[in-house]
Amino acid sequence: ETGVTQTPRHLVMGMTNKKSLKCEQHLGHNAMYWYKQSAKKPLELMFVYSLEERVENNSVPSRFSPECPNSSHLFLHLHTLQPEDSALYLCASRLAGTDTQYFGPGTRLTVL
Amino acid sequence: KQEVTQIPAALSVPEGENLVLNCSFTDSAIYNLQWFRQDPGKGLTSLLLIQSSQREQTSGRLNASLDKSSGRSTLYIAASQPGDSATYLCAGGGSNYKLTFGKGTLLTVNP
Repeated sequence: ETGVTQTPRHLVMGMTNKKSLKCEQHLGHNAMYWYKQSAKKPLELMFVYSLEERVENNSVPSRFSPECPNSSHLFLHLHTLQPEDSALYLCASRLAGTDTQYFGPGTRLTVL
Repeated sequence: KQEVTQIPAALSVPEGENLVLNCSFTDSAIYNLQWFRQDPGKGLTSLLLIQSSQREQTSGRLNASLDKSSGRSTLYIAASQPGDSATYLCAGGGSNYKLTFGKGTLLTVNP
């Protein structure tokens, strides 16, 4: 599969559950991003990894925990979420030295 | 702190019409200005990227302009088609490759 893939595409979870979102890029990129897209709001940058090192944590609550085991994979671990965390979570990747970010299709998360 | 505003929030036009989407930003010290397209429930697709030293970029029926001094960018779509229906997002590129997005313009092109 080419480009940036995200699994699952849809996720419904209770506030006490623990789940993980997965992102994989097949583009040979070395920077990866997590964004949150809520209704009626602009995309919000959550985390940035460059060469597997976290370089940005945009004041995100600790109930969101990112992990980047290698340059091709990015995870977002979720625990004790709130209903207001329901949103589309988008992953993106970029090749160092270039400006264009390539986005995955997103995971639609619903917290009950 | 960079803020990006897009006007209008929604636009409906008949097929074949030429149209302009507007984007404004508060901090003129941007590195670049990017336009994306998002189809319902999908990720973003990069359309055009204008570096801060450039004034415009073109791709097919799309033309994007950048005026840093006034803090504005426009996306011009020529001869619109129903397949152009989507949400169009602009984003200002800052230091460390960070993007600040607007809320988007929802475009509907009616056959």
